[in-house]
Amino acid sequence: GQNIDQPTEMTATEGAIVQINCTYQTSGFNGLFWYQQHAGEAPTFLSYNVLDGLEEKGRFSSFLSRSKGYSYLLLKELQMKDSASYLCAYMDSNYQLIWGAGTKLIIKP
Amino acid sequence: GAVVSQHPSRVICKSGTSVKIECRSLDFQATTMFWYRQFPKQSLMLMATSNEGSKATYEQGVEKDKFLINHASLTLSTLTVTSAHPEDSSFYICSANPGLALETQYFGPGTRLLVL
Repeated sequence: GQNIDQPTEMTATEGAIVQINCTYQTSGFNGLFWYQQHAGEAPTFLSYNVLDGLEEKGRFSSFLSRSKGYSYLLLKELQMKDSASYLCAYMDSNYQLIWGAGTKLIIKP
Repeated sequence: GAVVSQHPSRVICKSGTSVKIECRSLDFQATTMFWYRQFPKQSLMLMATSNEGSKATYEQGVEKDKFLINHASLTLSTLTVTSAHPEDSSFYICSANPGLALETQYFGPGTRLLVL
């Protein structure tokens, strides 16, 4: 089956830091993606991890542990515009993206 | 960066009519395009993988005769929803892979379909 899980919803305060976790189970793995999706819009690419470790890109960082089937997206210095859904997806052995249900992030002033 | 466009962005149609959605890669050639459907508050669901010059590969549960896909050129794929019904109302999103790196997919802005 396609096993990938992430929390349904999270709330954080403007200026703070939030970590969105994603766990997955798969026999074939070709990388883990994070996408941001604002309501009514298509997803936009945030990050791609294929090796273990932390990838930093401005206010956003993504971490991967392949042995644990675990990734997280870290958002720093939160801004109101960061309110969106964050989708994690892994690429399976057929190079097909398997999507999580998304985490709705609510930023409060 | 790579740009993918979709047309129309929004369409309202009567039940029983057919609707065609276009997906274009504007500044690159896409050997593979993907069609997704997303219902409110749900994640993306892959409908089919479209390869230029060959038949599309449909996911289990997706009706081939209802969702016709044509990938006639390296920059254009079309999805036709035939005999649309209210339950087909959804957000349809395409993505394109330039083939340079298998991990790269660029998404179109999506098409919101409402069938009355």
